[in-house]
Amino acid sequence: DVKVTQSSRYLVKRTGEKVFLECVQDMDHENMFWYRQDPGLGLRLIYFSYDVKMKEKGDIPEGYSVSREKKERFSLILESASTNQTSMYLCASKGGNTEAFFGQGTRLTVV
Amino acid sequence: KNQVEQSPQSLIILEGKNCTLQCNYTVSPFSNLRWYKQDTGRGPVSLTIMTFSENTKSNGRYTATLDADTKQSSLHITASQLSDSASYICVVTQGYEAGNNRKLIWGLGTSLAVNP
Repeated sequence: DVKVTQSSRYLVKRTGEKVFLECVQDMDHENMFWYRQDPGLGLRLIYFSYDVKMKEKGDIPEGYSVSREKKERFSLILESASTNQTSMYLCASKGGNTEAFFGQGTRLTVV
Repeated sequence: KNQVEQSPQSLIILEGKNCTLQCNYTVSPFSNLRWYKQDTGRGPVSLTIMTFSENTKSNGRYTATLDADTKQSSLHITASQLSDSASYICVVTQGYEAGNNRKLIWGLGTSLAVNP
């Protein structure tokens, strides 16, 4: 079974902190994604990566950056967390023509 | 504009009953359509995937249909169980099968509650 693991289920951070969300997949997938999910807005794509060291902006990249130094790991970085970044963050990985497999999600609260 | 619209927004049914969820899309070019189930506080899990040439696909008590002409899909749940309580999300992949099909267009989901 494909496994996508996010480092934390729940996080509470203070405004202005630098936050790292980590995601690891074990299926050698080329593509990895970071989404946030908010009530009434559905899943929105923040960033994605189709190869090591490659990244592309999604629909809402402002306030975020990403890092993909190894194929299996895709990190989302909040340079200076703000309260409007309180959300559920979902990581996904996808092979060439397979479905996307999701991690269990990280619920981030910024206070 | 590429959009995926789902209805109803929420639904409450009694255990054992059937229900049908709807998905209409305006995504071009169309690659495939997936239905995901998302339990509260968890990541989405794929139920079915259909390409342009498929018009029905089953996964246990879940049956998805696709009408590529009218750009509509439905997800039918038979003999519902309490564990079916979740959000069901329709996702359409924009792009060509042989090409870069990374763009996923997400619906907002239908929240289903199955009551005893």
